[in-house]
Amino acid sequence: DVKVTQSSRYLVKRTGEKVFLECVQDMDHENMFWYRQDPGLGLRLIYFSYDVKMKEKGDIPEGYSVSREKKERFSLILESASTNQTSMYLCASRSDRAQFEAFFGQGTRLTVV
Amino acid sequence: RKEVEQDPGPFNVPEGATVAFNCTYSNSASQSFFWYRQDCRKEPKLLMSVYSSGNEDGRFTAQLNRASQYISLLIRDSKLSDSATYLCVGLYNFNKFYFGSGTKLNVKP
Repeated sequence: DVKVTQSSRYLVKRTGEKVFLECVQDMDHENMFWYRQDPGLGLRLIYFSYDVKMKEKGDIPEGYSVSREKKERFSLILESASTNQTSMYLCASRSDRAQFEAFFGQGTRLTVV
Repeated sequence: RKEVEQDPGPFNVPEGATVAFNCTYSNSASQSFFWYRQDCRKEPKLLMSVYSSGNEDGRFTAQLNRASQYISLLIRDSKLSDSATYLCVGLYNFNKFYFGSGTKLNVKP
């Protein structure tokens, strides 16, 4: 089974802090994604990466950056956390070789106070 | 306009009922479609892929109508355990997934 693991289930951070969300997948997938999920808005793509050191902006990249130094790990960075970044963050991965579905991590519920 | 739109529901149905969800998409270049299921406070999990020819998996049937740009999911003989939020998903450019906001289903005894 594909396993996508996010480092934390729940996080509480203060406004202005730098926040790192980590995601690791164990299936050698080329593509990794970061989404945030908010009530009524669904999942929105923040960034994705199709290879090591490669990244592309999604629909809502402002206030975020990412890092992919190794194929299995994709990090989401909130440079200076703000209260409007309180959300559920979901990491996903997908193989180029598979039937295109994405597999999700368990999610990180981030609260910025 | 959102790329993928769904009726948020909730759909409240009795056990044993048949229920159908529709989803419309705006990007005609979308290559593939999926239905994901998301339980409360859990991550989305793939329920089934959607093919133009239609596909069935047990009590679940998915259909894609490219001419009208909609996707459907039919659940027959609903079970209590089917209660969840169902997300319609489109893929284009091989890497961009677009998710609907989800349709909530409550199956009641």
